[in-house]
Amino acid sequence: AQKITQTQPGMFVQEKEAVTLDCTYDTSDPSYGLFWYKQPSSGEMIFLIYQGSYDQQNATEGRYSLNFQKARKSANLVISASQLGDSAMYFCAMREGTTSGTYKYIFGTGTRLKVLA
Amino acid sequence: NAGVTQTPKFRILKIGQSMTLQCAQDMNHNYMYWYRQDPGMGLKLIYYSVGAGITDKGEVPNGYNVSRSTTEDFPLRLELAAPSQTSVYFCASSQQILPGNTIYFGEGSWLTVV
Repeated sequence: AQKITQTQPGMFVQEKEAVTLDCTYDTSDPSYGLFWYKQPSSGEMIFLIYQGSYDQQNATEGRYSLNFQKARKSANLVISASQLGDSAMYFCAMREGTTSGTYKYIFGTGTRLKVLA
Repeated sequence: NAGVTQTPKFRILKIGQSMTLQCAQDMNHNYMYWYRQDPGMGLKLIYYSVGAGITDKGEVPNGYNVSRSTTEDFPLRLELAAPSQTSVYFCASSQQILPGNTIYFGEGSWLTVV
């Protein structure tokens, strides 16, 4: 079963508008972390934002915010005032513990965002 | 600021050949990971390591081997390369002291098996 689900393979947004990229997760670990990464066409993975499972407030980093709804197990990324440079693939990821006491990062299949001028 | 360094960046292999993807990090991170990313897809965990001498399988370990003799290095070995192993490979590292510690990626290695 998918642990991280991103249901939007592709999204379009007009420049300067806001866009929400969806992410739902599944874990039985009470302590976990949720991350969003950006992958531009050049291929590198860029860390955007982090939300801890015990954090009371939604994380924000500049134009990025994470809409964390724990009961719904969702961690949607909101990008405000979209820019052409935001066109990229976006991955949601979860850090969870393993039965052996170690940690893994599990990634979703990604959402390709295209910002239109 | 080297971070996570992967070599080679591009490689074409023939079916049945073997090769090693090198990965080194200079951040003294205890955790290291290997992922593969198939075209248009997400990242799948191949192997990971929590420290020198300790490795564990991820989601898709078949056809690969790893070793971790030092904190800095985490090479990925492909033994009998198959076309299904054509992918982009990412090495990554993290320090697991704090829950919010993110994972740092290398720039990726593009591998084609023909």
